[in-house]
Amino acid sequence: DGGITQSPKYLFRKEGQNVTLSCEQNLNHDAMYWYRQDPGQGLRLIYYSQIVNDFQKGDIAEGYSVSREKKESFPLTVTSAQKNPTAFYLCASDPGVLAGELFFGEGSRLTVL
Amino acid sequence: SQQGEEDPQALSIQEGENATMNCSYKTSINNLQWYRQNSGRGLVHLILIRSNEREKHSGRLRVTLDTSKKSSSLLITASRAADTASYFCATDGQGAQKLVFGQGTRLTINP
Repeated sequence: DGGITQSPKYLFRKEGQNVTLSCEQNLNHDAMYWYRQDPGQGLRLIYYSQIVNDFQKGDIAEGYSVSREKKESFPLTVTSAQKNPTAFYLCASDPGVLAGELFFGEGSRLTVL
Repeated sequence: SQQGEEDPQALSIQEGENATMNCSYKTSINNLQWYRQNSGRGLVHLILIRSNEREKHSGRLRVTLDTSKKSSSLLITASRAADTASYFCATDGQGAQKLVFGQGTRLTINP
């Protein structure tokens, strides 16, 4: 089945450690996105990529990094510089149509102890 | 920055009743979308309405858009327990190829 796979589903880390969240899609979509969601809140855009080897900062990029070496993959690293990393992280993709429908993964919940 | 604001923040109704959620936004848009999120899951796209459309239907969903008031509403008719979820509106008012989401309405359908 085509879709977006995020892993791991749950992740616990100690403060000061970098963490990488995986996002893979087999939808052949050009654009991919990372959002952060805090309890009871909406989604805030961290980074997005419209094409391989290119990405742009979203509204809350500080303390995060990404890469887009392959069309299928858009990993997110939560660095130790992110002051409050505990959150639910959602990856999404779309075929590149301007502001069209987004397809979401099931999310990764990161808890920093 | 958040473009859309949903109202109410939470809504609890009996099964079979209709549920109405509203979304207001600040800047002009090309389209507005509604998404649903079950607890602890990813978002699922429900419906997209373009700025030149006033109303759109999909099954038990009815979406309206009033660009003069910069607002939209989502109506779910004949609600079911399985409709319990959070509902988000998203707009492209920031330009660029990215959506901006509101904070969502938590809908609870009581059996």
